[in-house]
Amino acid sequence: GAGVSQSPSNKVTEKGKDVELRCDPISGHTALYWYRQSLGQGLEFLIYFQGNSAPDKSGLPSDRFSAERTGGSVSTLTIQRTQQEDSAVYLCASSLASQAKETQYFGPGTRLLVL
Amino acid sequence: AQKITQTQPGMFVQEKEAVTLDCTYDTSDPSYGLFWYKQPSSGEMIFLIYQGSYDQQNATEGRYSLNFQKARKSANLVISASQLGDSAMYFCAMREGRYNQGGKLIFGQGTELSVKP
Repeated sequence: GAGVSQSPSNKVTEKGKDVELRCDPISGHTALYWYRQSLGQGLEFLIYFQGNSAPDKSGLPSDRFSAERTGGSVSTLTIQRTQQEDSAVYLCASSLASQAKETQYFGPGTRLLVL
Repeated sequence: AQKITQTQPGMFVQEKEAVTLDCTYDTSDPSYGLFWYKQPSSGEMIFLIYQGSYDQQNATEGRYSLNFQKARKSANLVISASQLGDSAMYFCAMREGRYNQGGKLIFGQGTELSVKP
């Protein structure tokens, strides 16, 4: 079966531009997570979706960051007016449900570089 | 407060030997899960092993085992018979249960393991 997929795999953009990152979770997984991995901050949680709703957005670093999920499947993370500190690897993960015992499976990530 | 602590930034092990990667955690939630992930240089996070807070037995998955000491709040990963392909970054992570129904993962800083031939 297909795993979590993300696109693009790499994105280079200029400061101030908007970017959209896409995540396609494992079929049937109701929970979807976005994380960010950077050298200085390690792995940080950004946002969690259960179905199409986002009960936990506590990790979004600023109002430039937003995300949506449609049809209980694909999710898009949007960063507006990108800054150089947004450069990182953005990882998406999905799990069958949101209980503690459920394993999260990760996609390959999108490497974002803001010039 | 740091919830997951991995005190070994880097480790070396000889091929075919066993190695233990340390992880301690902190939570007041009685229901939680502990996970180990491997991240090779390609960047993908690969799930290795899971231990639930109520599990009586230590988890094992092939060459991976988790030394779970609940009273000490430690969840060390043991890799037996190391292989060159085990060279990677290893992350310990916790997912709280009862008080965080969203189940986001909280990660440690990682341990970079290098296997020597």
